[in-house]
Amino acid sequence: AQSVTQPDIHITVSEGASLELRCNYSYGATPYLFWYVQSPGQGLQLLLKYFSGDTLVQGIKGFEAEFKRSQSSFNLRKPSVHWSDAAEYFCAVGEYNNNDMRFGAGTRLTVKP
Amino acid sequence: DTAVSQTPKYLVTQMGNDKSIKCEQNLGHDTMYWYKQDSKKFLKIMFSYNNKELIINETVPNRFSPKSPDKAHLNLHINSLELGDSAVYFCASSPRTGGYGYTFGSGTRLTVV
Repeated sequence: AQSVTQPDIHITVSEGASLELRCNYSYGATPYLFWYVQSPGQGLQLLLKYFSGDTLVQGIKGFEAEFKRSQSSFNLRKPSVHWSDAAEYFCAVGEYNNNDMRFGAGTRLTVKP
Repeated sequence: DTAVSQTPKYLVTQMGNDKSIKCEQNLGHDTMYWYKQDSKKFLKIMFSYNNKELIINETVPNRFSPKSPDKAHLNLHINSLELGDSAVYFCASSPRTGGYGYTFGSGTRLTVV
């Protein structure tokens, strides 16, 4: 079964600094990969997804992620973080013909003024 | 228009009570899910329904019973509530296959006292 690891429980960055959140997955075939963001007291919002094709995918709110098969990674990046980006970020892996999406444990992002 | 709506948003109840959480989606999706998010933000799938048919039933106490009267609704009924059931419960939906990502409701925070 597929699984996801987010090695960083909590990350703090300064506003305006660049951001990279790590995600590693375990899956036998080509996975479907997702990043979600959860603001305090809110549900999860889809930031971006990767199915196939270009390994660098663009998402909403200025986020992007790169799929690296050799490293089994799908790291999320943003060149300049805004205070409103402070939230919990979840990486998830799924399969096309399977409705069983697995989430990582999440990374909490704190943004310093 | 809210795509996936859950009611109630907050639910405080005593141990031993029976309660229900309702979920409705207006996206025309075929598949709906219930996830439980614990105090450490870990998301675990509980159930998945595709066109009113149960397709995923993780190891969940049988006090939890999902009911899907039609493909736009997936309700969660919980009998004999216990302290450990306190969590945030998220409903989500997706097209027939999960590879397109999920749309989440805003969650129901259940507190058992």
